[in-house]
Amino acid sequence: DIQMTQSPSSLSASLGDRVTITCRSSQSINNYLNWYQQKPGEAPKLLIFAASSLQSGVPSRFSGSGSRLSGGRSGTDFSLIISSLRPEDFATYYCQQTYSAPHTFGQGTKLEI
Amino acid sequence: EVQLVESGGGSAQPGGSQRLSCAASGFTFNTYTMTWVRQTPGKGLEWLSYITNTGSIIYYADSVKGRFTISRDNAKNSLFLQMNNLRVEDTAIYFCAGSLHYHYGLDVWGQGTTVTVSS
Repeated sequence: DIQMTQSPSSLSASLGDRVTITCRSSQSINNYLNWYQQKPGEAPKLLIFAASSLQSGVPSRFSGSGSRLSGGRSGTDFSLIISSLRPEDFATYYCQQTYSAPHTFGQGTKLEI
Repeated sequence: EVQLVESGGGSAQPGGSQRLSCAASGFTFNTYTMTWVRQTPGKGLEWLSYITNTGSIIYYADSVKGRFTISRDNAKNSLFLQMNNLRVEDTAIYFCAGSLHYHYGLDVWGQGTTVTVSS
């Protein structure tokens, strides 16, 4: 099974800050990496799919990126970037690989004020 | 409105069974790969199982393989999870979720149903 490791596990930030959450896969996943936001008592919400594609309706302050190895092969390091934090962004964020089953999630990053 | 609504949660004893249902509406259910995900109280998300749109391909996490069975009825726009030989550690909120292409994330989610396994 592919292991997904997120860092940090928690993060304190202020309104307007730019924050980066990282996710590392235990093997190459061909950029099949998704990011979700979950608020207490709610279901997760898809933000980013395929490492860098913004889901419809998601604000443009959210973006995703993946690394590339030499020769153009996709790497194993991914980032979720929030360019300027708003109050509604304080939540827990999860990465998930959908390259091969089981489609494992990272352990989550709790973003706090 | 695109919607998934889970039902069937509740209390069960260790070794018992529970059947979860997920009713879909507002989208073309028979084009979606469907997935079950669970979340233990205060913990992260655990992927459990998926079934492709025709039901021809099914995968399970090792933690539930041999005990849980996923199925779907496209005529009734419904997804199911039959859970047998339940363990205390199966206590969680169970979400159904869907994706038009399983590589591109779960873009439709239900609100979740809670299963509590205790003696």
